[in-house]
Amino acid sequence: QQQVKQSPQSLIVQKGGISIINCAYENTAFDYFPWYQQFPGKGPALLIAIRPDVSEKKEGRFTISFNKSAKQFSLHIMDSQPGDSATYFCAASRPSGNTPLVFGKGTRLSVIA
Amino acid sequence: SQTIHQWPATLVQPVGSPLSLECTVEGTSNPNLYWYRQAAGRGLQLLFYSVGIGQISSEVPQNLSASRPQDRQFILSSKKLLLSDSGFYLCALRGGGKSNQPQHFGDGTRLSIL
Repeated sequence: QQQVKQSPQSLIVQKGGISIINCAYENTAFDYFPWYQQFPGKGPALLIAIRPDVSEKKEGRFTISFNKSAKQFSLHIMDSQPGDSATYFCAASRPSGNTPLVFGKGTRLSVIA
Repeated sequence: SQTIHQWPATLVQPVGSPLSLECTVEGTSNPNLYWYRQAAGRGLQLLFYSVGIGQISSEVPQNLSASRPQDRQFILSSKKLLLSDSGFYLCALRGGGKSNQPQHFGDGTRLSIL
């Protein structure tokens, strides 16, 4: 119940295309869903986050879509660029800020020209 | 703003040697602190987390230990390193108490065991 399942493991997208990464969870107590972007040799950086009281959040080319009934959330990268090539992690957290984030296993995105 | 300092950036150690990795944070008080390990091309494995001075929770039994001697200092240690301890070690902080506090990572230490 503590798992967050992320798919796909790897993704290749043409420049200008849409990258879509999906995550699913079981624990209905989760109420905070962040996405992280990690470049090689660097720590993950917070990209965007959503709470279950909204169905979508957009920041620039990055959008989180959230489906509470299906217990799924996804990251959409519009107009994907080679600079977006990185590993992306979804995560989820219970209401207490003292419990650790539960991370998905990551998706390696490659955007090719 | 919150800052996480991890050093060294790269470390090469022989099998059986001791280890001490230090993480210090700035720009926050009473943070939750975390140690993660990441194998090459793999996900984030939570090793330890701490919600306060002297409070350590261990997620994975192993030959590593952690300590939090000060509010903004988190130390990862080992008495005898194994080959399997190689990896990318990341320190992270998050505001405690309320949910939705963002979690931030340091730039990590690449540890190679020979």
